[in-house]
Amino acid sequence: DAGITQSPRYKITETGRQVTLMCHQTWSHSYMFWYRQDLGHGLRLIYYSAAADITDKGEVPDGYVVSRSKTENFPLTLESATRSQTSVYFCASSDLDRGNQPQHFGDGTRLSIL
Amino acid sequence: GNSVTQMEGPVTLSEEAFLTINCTYTATGYPSLFWYVQYPGEGLQLLLKATKADDKGSNKGFEATYRKETTSFHLEKGSVQVSDSAVYFCALTIYNFNKFYFGSGTKLNVKP
Repeated sequence: DAGITQSPRYKITETGRQVTLMCHQTWSHSYMFWYRQDLGHGLRLIYYSAAADITDKGEVPDGYVVSRSKTENFPLTLESATRSQTSVYFCASSDLDRGNQPQHFGDGTRLSIL
Repeated sequence: GNSVTQMEGPVTLSEEAFLTINCTYTATGYPSLFWYVQYPGEGLQLLLKATKADDKGSNKGFEATYRKETTSFHLEKGSVQVSDSAVYFCALTIYNFNKFYFGSGTKLNVKP
């Protein structure tokens, strides 16, 4: 099915572990984004990508790494997870190259770090 | 700079009441404006959009008008239902910019 999918939907891990959240979109949108959503903070941009092999920091990039070797995939890696990274993570995509297009969001990954 | 300000929630209404959720913005260029809705446990879904001044976006009984003179994009619905209970986000993007700017979200609770 067309759309944007995130995996896993739920993840529990321990402090210090590496964890990768996956994001895949089937629209061939040029732009992809990673947000975290926490109570009291709304949506905060972690990283974004304008195209394959082009990534840039958002508002809260520390502790995260991204890559984009293919247009359709945009994985987010927590290299050494900390409890403060417990959050709900949303991936989004947009065809901003065609003008002011909306973002389309995945269903989110609920990450708990113990 | 660019930013979006939404009214604080939660907003609690009875079924069939009139809804207004205020949204104002600041922008360095010519923004497009969006309302997103987030139901519990789900991602954000685009509700409606407006791309130029005086445009009215509408969907599922919700509507919002892009007011350049007041830099506002208030969300309205004439008669809310329990199923409208969700968090609503106002957002903007600017042509040739590569980011979206979101408000903090407004939680709506509709009681039967």
